[in-house]
Amino acid sequence: AQSVTQLGSHVSVSEGALVLLRCNYSSSVPPYLFWYVQYPNQGLQLLLKYTTGATLVKGINGFEAEFKKSETSFHLTKPSAHMSDAAEYFCAVIKRGGSNYKLTFGKGTLLTVNP
Amino acid sequence: ETGVTQTPRHLVMGMTNKKSLKCEQHLGHNAMYWYKQSAKKPLELMFVYSLEERVENNSVPSRFSPECPNSSHLFLHLHTLQPEDSALYLCASSRNLLVEQFFGPGTRLTVL
Repeated sequence: AQSVTQLGSHVSVSEGALVLLRCNYSSSVPPYLFWYVQYPNQGLQLLLKYTTGATLVKGINGFEAEFKKSETSFHLTKPSAHMSDAAEYFCAVIKRGGSNYKLTFGKGTLLTVNP
Repeated sequence: ETGVTQTPRHLVMGMTNKKSLKCEQHLGHNAMYWYKQSAKKPLELMFVYSLEERVENNSVPSRFSPECPNSSHLFLHLHTLQPEDSALYLCASSRNLLVEQFFGPGTRLTVL
């Protein structure tokens, strides 16, 4: 079964610092990959996705992620954190092919941005 | 109105009550989902509908009963719930089963 691991349930950065949120998947075939963000008392919002093509994917709010097949990773980055980035971030995958269409989520990483 | 909407946003109910959660999507999608989000737990997929047919029932207790009358609407009927059912219930939709899902704001459910 495929799984998603987000290293670090809580990441704290200073405003203006680099944001790096880690995501690794376990699958023999690279899945479709997604990052979602959840602000307090809200649903999940899609930040970006990787399905095929260029391995560096740009999303909303200045975030980007790079698919690295050799490392089975899809880490999320932002060069300069803003206070408004404080939220919980979820990495998710859908297995390619077959009939397994489930969106499998990681446990989430809570990002805190300090002034 | 655009996107995925959910009503009510907050619900408090007793264990003997019957209530329903409503989800509506304005995106022309063919698949809809119910998720449960509890504190300190990963999101749990509850039900999946594709073209109004249920394709997934993820070992959910029978006190939760979904209904999908058309491709734009999804309901979750609740009866004789337990306090441990208190959680954020999220609805999502997608164009088909293999692409990204779009989520509603959720219903915060508290069972007393």
